[in-house]
Amino acid sequence: GQNIDQPTEMTATEGAIVQINCTYQTSGFNGLFWYQQHAGEAPTFLSYTVLDGLEEKGRFSSFLSRSKGYSYLLLKELQMKDSASYLCAVSESNYQLIWGAGTKLIIKP
Amino acid sequence: ETGVTQTPRHLVMGMTNKKSLKCEQHLGHNAMYWYKQSAKKPLELMFVYSLEERVENNSVPSRFSPECPNSSHLFLHLHTLQPEDSALYLCASSQDYGTGANVLTFGAGSRLTVL
Repeated sequence: GQNIDQPTEMTATEGAIVQINCTYQTSGFNGLFWYQQHAGEAPTFLSYTVLDGLEEKGRFSSFLSRSKGYSYLLLKELQMKDSASYLCAVSESNYQLIWGAGTKLIIKP
Repeated sequence: ETGVTQTPRHLVMGMTNKKSLKCEQHLGHNAMYWYKQSAKKPLELMFVYSLEERVENNSVPSRFSPECPNSSHLFLHLHTLQPEDSALYLCASSQDYGTGANVLTFGAGSRLTVL
């Protein structure tokens, strides 16, 4: 069946690095998305990856392994404003998005 | 205004009321979506409109009724809701529907409480 797993909650320290994992089982694959959602706000697009490997965008990087059904979002030099939920979503073969339940990231000073 | 705007931001209604949620996008996108977001659960796709035609209806109860009068506006009409319908309702838009890198732009949501 279709399933996306990500940790419910993670805690990290300001200035540190955190890796948020996402594993998926879906009907086909047309890419994986990461979105950020601050409390009470709209989810906003962070990244889209369809090829294996690591893509870096400033402090945020995303990694994909299609053979393992695995992705992670890497956040470096954490700032307090990075406290948010991070949503993983996979586009299936029919382009429907399957969403994870989100990972709430808490940053401590 | 820019982006995707949703009104009202908060709504409290009784089970016998009728209300509507409104969404407007100023991005020139061709597809619009309604999602339900409940705590600690994945986003649930409710409806998709592409070029003002409904293309997805994911087994949503008939007490939710969408309307897309034009490519910039989307409504969700609500009637005789149940307490379990209390959730955040997110509207989103994308340039097109049914493509791989289909980036969604979300509104801030309408927080609905059904008493």
